[in-house]
Amino acid sequence: AQSVTQLGSHVSVSEGALVLLRCNYSSSVPPYLFWYVQYPNQGLQLLLKYTTGATLVKGINGFEAEFKKSETSFHLTKPSAHMSDAAEYFCAVSDLNFGNEKLTFGTGTRLTIIP
Amino acid sequence: EAGVTQFPSHSVIEKGQTVTLRCDPISGHDNLYWYRRVMGKEIKFLLHFVKESKQDESGMPNNRFLAERTGGTYSTLKVQPAELEDSGVYFCASSLPWAGELFFGEGSRLTVL
Repeated sequence: AQSVTQLGSHVSVSEGALVLLRCNYSSSVPPYLFWYVQYPNQGLQLLLKYTTGATLVKGINGFEAEFKKSETSFHLTKPSAHMSDAAEYFCAVSDLNFGNEKLTFGTGTRLTIIP
Repeated sequence: EAGVTQFPSHSVIEKGQTVTLRCDPISGHDNLYWYRRVMGKEIKFLLHFVKESKQDESGMPNNRFLAERTGGTYSTLKVQPAELEDSGVYFCASSLPWAGELFFGEGSRLTVL
């Protein structure tokens, strides 16, 4: 069975500071990893994904994540936080049995940006 | 192009009543998924349709939940009778086969009193 652990249900950073949201996963097969973001009153939006290939993945809005197999991690980072980054972020894993992109999500991290 | 749409956005019902949630996927997306988030917990998979067929319903909590996708277009999720623990946000998502990306709707918030 797959599982995802997101450390920190709430993270606050100052505007312009580094954003680091942690995600560790457990999977018995090579994982496919995702970060989704939910802005207030909106649906989940894909930020980035790792399937195969380069382990450093760049996404939208300046976010990136690095797949580290040895650490079973997929932490999300952004060098400089912006007020518009305030949202809830979800890490998810899938074995992507193609045709069935069934996702297992973490509990989410709410990011607050301090002006 | 329209995204995944869900209706209603919020429903408040009493325990024992029935509620039906609707999801319209992106046109042409054969895959349709239902997920649920109970307050403060993770988003959990409920079931997966491929066109009108249920591919995987392993996440459905119990037989009070019934999902349908007649004609392989929109889907409904009925809860009958609703219990307090059914409260949460129900998300629908759709995708193309082999695409590796799900597109989510804004969710339907269900409150059972």
